[in-house]
Order: sequence, then structure tokens, then C-alpha cells
Amino acid sequence: QKEVEQNSGPLSVPEGAIASLNCTYSDRGSQSFFWYRQYSGKSPELIMSIYSNGDKEDGRFTAQLNKASQYVSLLIRDSQPSDSATYLCAVLSQKVTFGTGTKLQVIP
Amino acid sequence: DGGITQSPKYLFRKEGQNVTLSCEQNLNHDAMYWYRQDPGQGLRLIYYSQIVNDFQKGDIAEGYSVSREKKESFPLTVTSAQKNPTAFYLCASRRELGQETQYFGPGTRLLVL
Repeated sequence: QKEVEQNSGPLSVPEGAIASLNCTYSDRGSQSFFWYRQYSGKSPELIMSIYSNGDKEDGRFTAQLNKASQYVSLLIRDSQPSDSATYLCAVLSQKVTFGTGTKLQVIP
Repeated sequence: DGGITQSPKYLFRKEGQNVTLSCEQNLNHDAMYWYRQDPGQGLRLIYYSQIVNDFQKGDIAEGYSVSREKKESFPLTVTSAQKNPTAFYLCASRRELGQETQYFGPGTRLLVL
């Protein structure tokens, strides 16, 4: 079992819709959870971090964490074509472990 | 202006040649990392260093070498032993204590001539 799992996609959503990206992790001792966005040919940039159960909102982005289910998600409201990228989930326990990413395509 | 810099942006390697990728950070981060990313693939850890003058192998260290003589610098050498070096190389750093994650440099794309 991979330590951090994501569906590779591509996930296609129409412009203006809500995009929902999911991630599961195996280490119950994980403390912190992060979402990165990576545009094609560029390096990953941190967009959200979440440390406790529940929701955390930042603009159009909402991160959701459920430690009991070992599940973290990222919702993007009012999706824009500029949101088209690969989204990496990362989990911190003893070290930071990355998922392989979900490719999001927002269709105009 | 704090951040992580990598140079060069593009690097071409000839057969049998060693090449060195530069990574510098002025964030006062303790730990530094090197990843390799192949097209459409995830990040694979090559080497990491948590303190000066110490470093550990990651998942794919064969054919690579590193040094950490200064806190700010963590250069990666791709040796001739690495038979398939064409990839996007990413350097990252983080504060070792606390809940912070890693931050990435802009990357170096290595191509073989």
C-alpha cells in the first residue's frame, strides 16, 4: 500500500463547477497535511495546509481533513481554466511524503 | 527576497560527463532535499540533508552524489553512472522542527545530448 494515494486523473470539470480532489494516507501518526499545485513544466507551489480535523477555507479553496478515515481533500469552487494543473497531496509524519498527484482539467 | 534558487534552468549532459546542479536557499531552513520527476510521474527522493556535513540516501540515490558544506547550499552531482539522467530535478527545503512543509525551487531540466 502506498503511503499517500491519489487518483491520477485526469479529472475534468466545466468552468465554474466545483472540483473535488481526494487523498488517502496510511500513517495514523501523520500530523500535517498539504496541497501543492504544479503547472506543467513548473515546480510545485504550496496552496493549502491543514493540521486539524474539519474544513479550512482560503478564497476559492477548501481543504478538508478527516483523521479517523485518514482522508484529506481539496475543493476548488468556481473552477477556472487557470486552475488546470496537477495537484499533489503531501503528508508530514516522520518526513514529508508526496502522492503522485491528480491532474485537473477545467474545460471552458 | 527569501527563497530557493536553482541553476541552471536547463542543463545538457554529454555521455560520460558528470554535471552539477546548484541549489541555494536563504530561508534559514535546516533540511534540504533533491527530487527527480519524470514526465507524468510523481516525485522521487534522491538525497536529503537535515544538518550541515550530513546527508542520507533517498529512494533513487544510485548515480548521484551530494554535499552539504554550508547550510544554504546543497549541490547535486549527476555522475556518468546515472544511465538515464533526463528528468526535471527539484530542490526543496524545510525547517526541520515544527509542522511546516517543504518549499521547492524552480527546478533544473537535465537533457542528454
